[in-house]
Amino acid sequence: QKEVEQNSGPLSVPEGAIASLNCTYSDRGSQSFFWYRQYSGKSPELIMFIYSNGDKEDGRFTAQLNKASQYVSLLIRDSQPSDSATYLCAVLYRAGGTSYGKLTFGQGTILTVHP
Amino acid sequence: GAVVSQHPSRVICKSGTSVKIECRSLDFQATTMFWYRQFPKQSLMLMATSNEGSKATYEQGVEKDKFLINHASLTLSTLTVTSAHPEDSSFYICSAREQGAVLSSYNSPLHFGNGTRLTVT
Repeated sequence: QKEVEQNSGPLSVPEGAIASLNCTYSDRGSQSFFWYRQYSGKSPELIMFIYSNGDKEDGRFTAQLNKASQYVSLLIRDSQPSDSATYLCAVLYRAGGTSYGKLTFGQGTILTVHP
Repeated sequence: GAVVSQHPSRVICKSGTSVKIECRSLDFQATTMFWYRQFPKQSLMLMATSNEGSKATYEQGVEKDKFLINHASLTLSTLTVTSAHPEDSSFYICSAREQGAVLSSYNSPLHFGNGTRLTVT
């Protein structure tokens, strides 16, 4: 069974610090990796996605992918209290066919940024 | 950007009744829609994959006769929870894949609705 694992946390960081969120996956055939942020009672919103080894930066967010280690992470620089949410890692396994877009989610990491 | 409208956002129903949830792609055509369920403090679990004009594909453990999915057009998929029970109370979220969209360096082919909070009393 394909699995996506995250540390459920909670992860608590002070305002202005770097928050580091980690995710591992079991299937080496995994294609693409997504980070979603979910506020309580709301639907997930996409923060970043990555499908090549290395780093991808977008504003305060950096996604890192290491396919050899089956590991993907999200760094949030200059963390703000508004970043407090649950962060979900998701993996896309199939690149084509009618099931393209089928995501498998990790259990999420709760992040709290305190002033 | 692409918008997925999910309705209703919140519904309360009595045990034994049926509830229909709609998922619409407003400005794009959705070949495929995915239905997820999320229990409190848990992650999203895929229930089924819905392709326009064909039968839905259900994940293991999801009862297809209980969770009826219809994807009759490229802009609308519906999930009907039949004979709902309190254990069906959950947050249901749809996700739509834009027709012909593929993952590229600047976009994602997937768009989420805002979810439906179902409470069965």
